[in-house]
Formats: sequence, structure tokens, C-alpha cells
Amino acid sequence: DTGVSQDPRHKITKRGQNVTFRCDPISEHNRLYWYRQTLGQGPEFLTYFQNEAQLEKSRLLSDRFSAERPKGSFSTLEIQRTEQGDSAMYLCASSLPGAIMNTGELFFGEGSRLTVL
Amino acid sequence: DAKTTQPPSMDCAEGRAANLPCNHSTISGNEYVYWYRQIHSQGPQYIIHGLKNNETNEMASLIITEDRKSSTLILPHATLRDTAVYYCIVRGPFNAGNNRKLIWGLGTSLAVNP
Repeated sequence: DTGVSQDPRHKITKRGQNVTFRCDPISEHNRLYWYRQTLGQGPEFLTYFQNEAQLEKSRLLSDRFSAERPKGSFSTLEIQRTEQGDSAMYLCASSLPGAIMNTGELFFGEGSRLTVL
Repeated sequence: DAKTTQPPSMDCAEGRAANLPCNHSTISGNEYVYWYRQIHSQGPQYIIHGLKNNETNEMASLIITEDRKSSTLILPHATLRDTAVYYCIVRGPFNAGNNRKLIWGLGTSLAVNP
């Protein structure tokens, strides 16, 4: 078990550029979540996948944001035409399916820190 | 999900117990209390959770009052590596819907001092 991994850990980009983040969840976890965290705040929910299906998106996820999980394994989060307000830590988390024998625990990756200049 | 209230910051001497309080006065009967922590520049890490009874694991103990309106996370022998932001979260039973509705708040920034 290598845990949830995210890539890249840090990204600096200029306003207007596109960026893509990748998340590899724990292999047996079918549920995958993306959160955004700005400095001094707690994580805010962005979107959620069960297998390859994107089941919910927060209103925080504007049209410039898109997330995919094509084969139900890794996921990507793309931000188009980045703005300075997009600067944040983007966190990916995964969890086990079902309720039985499940603590409901979310397993987080280290996050991808985006700085938009 | 119920909202929680935590002190913004606390200090603790290394080797002493750290007691982190959380108020959740509007908690519903089927809602659990979860604690996560986030060490600087890392993702949050699950610590412990409970419903009604006190809970203990290798990381911490969770004391929930009888009326369930507040709880305390106890780190019995704090070390410098326990310096982190601690989040108290209330959520419904185990399903993904309740995971995505978590309201994280600002947490308590715990500083463990040598």
C-alpha cells in the first residue's frame, strides 16, 4: 500500500495557462474525492467519483475546472485559463466502498500546490 | 452536518498530554465525531472517530460527553511531530455522500513546544 499519490507536488504557472493534476488513489478504493484548500482554511469539497462515474460537483467547480477518472483508477483535475484566485492546495482523497467494516475514513494524498502568477 | 467550534490555537509542552476541545451542540443522534490532523504542507490524516462511547487507538483518545454536545481529543504524550492543525468534524453514517459533505472549519493549530 503506497497510499494516495499526487503529481506534481508543486506547480507555478502564469495566469491564463492550463494546468493538470494527477491523483493515484489506493488501489482497492473505488471512491475518489478532490478538495481545494486555501491558506489558513480547511479543505473544501470540489468533486467526487465512484469508480469512473463523477457523481457530484461542488458549485466551487467552475466551467474552467474539469475532472476525469476514465478507468476508475487514477484521476486528473484540469484547470483551464488559470486565475490568481485558483492558487491553492489541491487535495485528492480516496475511501473504501460500502459501509460495513469501513471506518468512513478518507485517505488523503500530499496535495498539489498551485501558484498562479 | 452539524457545525463544530474549536479554539484557534493551543500550546502544549512536549511529553505532556494535549487536550483539544470541540463543541458540536447541534449534533444529531446518528452523527459521528471525527478527528483529522494536518501537518504543515501535507494532506489531512485520520486520527479517530466515535459515536457515543469513548474511543482509544494508537494515536489518541476521544472523550465524548454524555449529551454528545462536546468532545475532547487527547494526545497522551505529545511530541514535536504532533504539531499540526487538528480538525473536529461531525458527519453522518458511513457513505460517500456524507464524506463529500464534510465541513472542515478552521481547526485548532496545536504547537508542541520543547
